[in-house]
Amino acid sequence: DVKVTQSSRYLVKRTGEKVFLECVQDMDHENMFWYRQDPGLGLRLIYFSYDVKMKEKGDIPEGYSVSREKKERFSLILESASTNQTSMYLCASSSLAGVYEQYFGPGTRLTVT
Amino acid sequence: LAKTTQPISMDSYEGQEVNITCSHNNIATNDYITWYQQFPSQGPRFIIQGYKTKVTNEVASLFIPADRKSSTLSLPRVSLSDTAVYYCLVAALDSNYQLIWGAGTKLIIKP
Repeated sequence: DVKVTQSSRYLVKRTGEKVFLECVQDMDHENMFWYRQDPGLGLRLIYFSYDVKMKEKGDIPEGYSVSREKKERFSLILESASTNQTSMYLCASSSLAGVYEQYFGPGTRLTVT
Repeated sequence: LAKTTQPISMDSYEGQEVNITCSHNNIATNDYITWYQQFPSQGPRFIIQGYKTKVTNEVASLFIPADRKSSTLSLPRVSLSDTAVYYCLVAALDSNYQLIWGAGTKLIIKP
């Protein structure tokens, strides 16, 4: 079974703090994704990566950056957290040809106060 | 660019067949249609994907008409454990990585 793990289930940070969200997958997948999920808005893609050190902006990249130094690990960085970044953050991975079949982690619920 | 629209919520009863439709009027030739299920406090889980006509697996069926402007996820004989949010995704199998998610349909199954 594919396993995607995220570093925290719940996180509380203060406005202005730098926040790191880590994601690790164990299926040797090329693609990794970061989404945020808000009520009524579904899943919105923040960034994705199709290879080590490669990244592409998704629909809502503003205020976020990512890092992929190893194939199995994809990090989401909030350089200066703001209250409007309070959300559920979901990481996913897929094979290169299987972008429509993504495997998700359990999510990190981030609260910025 | 494809936009996906699905009902916000639906309810049904145990043992019934449930059909959830997603419309994607501007679907492109390279786009595939995928459906996911999400339970509270979990990430979405892949259910089924298709390109055209009908696809069936052990969990669900997916009906896609010839014009591909909509798709219908069919859940046979639902149980209480099928209560979840269901998302459709239109995704291109090319380097553009266009991923168009629907806003989700909250399905509530009643006893």
